[in-house]
Amino acid sequence: EVQLVQSGAEVKKPGESLRISCTASGYSFPGSWIGWVRQMPGKGLEWMGNIFPADSDTKYSPSFQGQVTFSADKSTNTVYLQWRGLKASDTATYFCARRVLGHNYGPFFDYWGQGTLVTVSS
Amino acid sequence: SYVLTQPPSVSLAPGQTARITCGGDNIERKSVHWYQQRPGQAPLLVIYDDTDRPSGIPERFSGSNSGNTASLTISRVEAGDEADYHCQVWDSISDHWVFGGGTKLTVL
Repeated sequence: EVQLVQSGAEVKKPGESLRISCTASGYSFPGSWIGWVRQMPGKGLEWMGNIFPADSDTKYSPSFQGQVTFSADKSTNTVYLQWRGLKASDTATYFCARRVLGHNYGPFFDYWGQGTLVTVSS
Repeated sequence: SYVLTQPPSVSLAPGQTARITCGGDNIERKSVHWYQQRPGQAPLLVIYDDTDRPSGIPERFSGSNSGNTASLTISRVEAGDEADYHCQVWDSISDHWVFGGGTKLTVL
């Protein structure tokens, strides 16, 4: 059974650093892209980018390029989302999800983590 | 950049048919995927590749895609279908993923 398990909720102050995690099981971890999606309170889903664990190749949305960093650890089947210098506007729930390709090569997310709530407040 | 437009909300009574639209320029040329998100939960894939249902998704859920509009149709709506529904495509020109703004389905 495919599972993505994310780390627990975090409360941070502006300017602090943070790394949250997403640990995969039930499939060949290195061979599937993992994506990160942000959901601000009461808002829709925003694609942040994807990472390919086999070689840590990354693709960032322009909206998040330079604001966050993705990384992967193949030894623990875990991907990470990191901030250096959090802002109050980073307050949101963050989801990881496994990317797969459809029949016409349009990618989508077939399995999602449970989400990590990040609250940034002074 | 590519934009997907969804109505903010749809309301109907149990047993009726819900149609949630997702508008985009020549969207019929793209593969559209739909996610259901119940309150406080992670999104769940309900339709992929315009019309296909993942294992475990009821046949009441169906999708279509033509011209500038893709649609998610839920037949015989139940209280348990109350959720936000998000459409998603991949823009091959920019190599970016795009989500619609989401539609809140309320079952009266």
